[in-house]
Amino acid sequence: GAGVSQSPSNKVTEKGKDVELRCDPISGHTALYWYRQRLGQGLEFLIYFQGNSAPDKSGLPSDRFSAERTGESVSTLTIQRTQQEDSAVYLCASSPFFGSDEQYFGPGTRLTVT
Amino acid sequence: KQEVTQIPAALSVPEGENLVLNCSFTDSAIYNLQWFRQDPGKGLTSLLLIQSSQREQTSGRLNASLDKSSGRSTLYIAASQPGDSATYLCAARDNYGQNFVFGPGTRLSVLP
Repeated sequence: GAGVSQSPSNKVTEKGKDVELRCDPISGHTALYWYRQRLGQGLEFLIYFQGNSAPDKSGLPSDRFSAERTGESVSTLTIQRTQQEDSAVYLCASSPFFGSDEQYFGPGTRLTVT
Repeated sequence: KQEVTQIPAALSVPEGENLVLNCSFTDSAIYNLQWFRQDPGKGLTSLLLIQSSQREQTSGRLNASLDKSSGRSTLYIAASQPGDSATYLCAARDNYGQNFVFGPGTRLSVLP
């Protein structure tokens, strides 16, 4: 079946612009995670969604970052007024249910802020 | 706050060698530890998962061990192949079963 997909695969934007990143999870997966991976570093947790429960936003680095997910469908990560330090690969992963050890990752969106 | 480190940061070996990748974590109260592989331009793929009550897991040429008391895990790759070239990350999951804390990864190159 189809895996996790993300779009765009690459995004170059000017400092100060807003960007929106999209994640399509595996159908039926109730849990969805967003991570940020800076060059040469590990994955940094940003936010997760579990069904219709309130998301855990504890990893969002600033109020310029926000994410939405409607039910168990697509999620969007929005970064407002982008800064150069936002340049990174943004990875999305979905899990069959909250607490599952299985995480299926998308290929990521490489964001470059110039 | 859990912190995960990995050494070495990069490793280059000739084909056929056995090798060990190291992962350390600061808080031993983990739920499990997982090793992932990341290929360029792709997401992560899970390789091995070790629950906190286990000491090791094996899959083919891969063997992962876990020593909670010392805060360490190792990934052993036997008879390395060029296709093993990738970045290997470990991730510790806390006892609340929520977040995964990832290490920075070891970039492995296996030369033919």
